[in-house]
Amino acid sequence: GQNIDQPTEMTATEGAIVQINCTYQTSGFNGLFWYQQHAGEAPTFLSYNVLDGLEEKGRFSSFLSRSKGYSYLLLKELQMKDSASYLCAEDNYGQNFVFGPGTRLSVLP
Amino acid sequence: NAGVTQTPKFRILKIGQSMTLQCAQDMNHNYMYWYRQDPGMGLKLIYYSVGAGITDKGEVPNGYNVSRSTTEDFPLRLELAAPSQTSVYFCASSSRTKMTHSNQPQHFGDGTRLSIL
Repeated sequence: GQNIDQPTEMTATEGAIVQINCTYQTSGFNGLFWYQQHAGEAPTFLSYNVLDGLEEKGRFSSFLSRSKGYSYLLLKELQMKDSASYLCAEDNYGQNFVFGPGTRLSVLP
Repeated sequence: NAGVTQTPKFRILKIGQSMTLQCAQDMNHNYMYWYRQDPGMGLKLIYYSVGAGITDKGEVPNGYNVSRSTTEDFPLRLELAAPSQTSVYFCASSSRTKMTHSNQPQHFGDGTRLSIL
């Protein structure tokens, strides 16, 4: 089946680094996406991994290990505006995107 | 480009009423999706379409219908509204090719906030 897990909530301090983990269990894996969603808004694309390793985009990085069915999103130099939900989504050959439950991140001053 | 446009943005329905949520995209994407998102939860796939004339059920299709007569439009129909359908509905589109790695993310509309009373 398709089961994606993420922590429900995380809290971090402004300027710190936070890692949000995501695990998935499925066959037909075709890529792993991370989205950011501010309260009351639509999700917006952050990053994509299809091969093992780290993808870096400014303050945000995403890592994938296909053998472990594991990904993480790393946010550096946290800012107040990073307070949002972070959604992990799997792309598979079955044509669907499957979203995890989302991790609600609170950045405190 | 407008991207993905959803209408209406807000709607209140009475139990048993019907309505259509509209979704249009101008990016010539072949794939389109409808999700619902309940408060504090992730996105649940209702229906999706891989191209004009083709639709498939997602995880939570009961109580909904869709059609895809053109590449641009993918309306979602609620026939007999029930309180359990109170949610935020997101339409999304993406450009995908089957059986190859694709790094094309989904583009989302701003959502329709629907309350059934």
